[in-house]
Amino acid sequence: EAGVAQSPRYKIIEKRQSVAFWCNPISGHATLYWYQQILGQGPKLLIQFQNNGVVDDSQLPKDRFSAERLKGVDSTLKIQPAKLEDSAVYLCASSLEAGLRNEQFFGPGTRLTVL
Amino acid sequence: AQKVTQAQTEISVVEKEDVTLDCVYETRDTTYYLFWYKQPPSGELVFLIRRNSFDEQNEISGRYSWNFQKSTSSFNFTITASQVVDSAVYFCALRSDSWGKLQFGAGTQVVVTP
Repeated sequence: EAGVAQSPRYKIIEKRQSVAFWCNPISGHATLYWYQQILGQGPKLLIQFQNNGVVDDSQLPKDRFSAERLKGVDSTLKIQPAKLEDSAVYLCASSLEAGLRNEQFFGPGTRLTVL
Repeated sequence: AQKVTQAQTEISVVEKEDVTLDCVYETRDTTYYLFWYKQPPSGELVFLIRRNSFDEQNEISGRYSWNFQKSTSSFNFTITASQVVDSAVYFCALRSDSWGKLQFGAGTQVVVTP
């Protein structure tokens, strides 16, 4: 079974530029998560989708970050415009359903460097 | 509010030594799950173990074991007879939100030298 796919793996941009990340979850997984992991810290949830609806985006900086999951399958996360402090690894994860018991499977992440 | 504290920033051991990672958590929920994840240099988070709040039985799985104590809100993790391949960052995480949101600790870097 294929795991969670993310692209690109690495991205370097200058501040004030825009960037987009793509995630394809495990087939059949209804729940998709985007996490931000700053160097030396644990991942922090940015947004959670249940199918194509948002169930938690309380920690998403909505003035510059946006995410969508239009058909309830793959998802894109966009930053516009980027700031230096956005340098981090962006992890996508998916689970069969939301809820306490369901294990989250993580992708390899996209490492973003903002210069 | 949920909080996970991993006080150890880095632990260095020589191969075959045991390594114990500490994790202390805070939650007001009575039903929750605790997890340990491993993040090798490749960056992908790998699920290791999961424990629910109603089961304090401590177990061993291969070289991994864990000690869950609700009285002290601790969920410690031990690697027995460490190997170089165990070198990674280890994260403790808590899930008590009904939607499944994971709250991670800051991680502990484990360095195993030959």
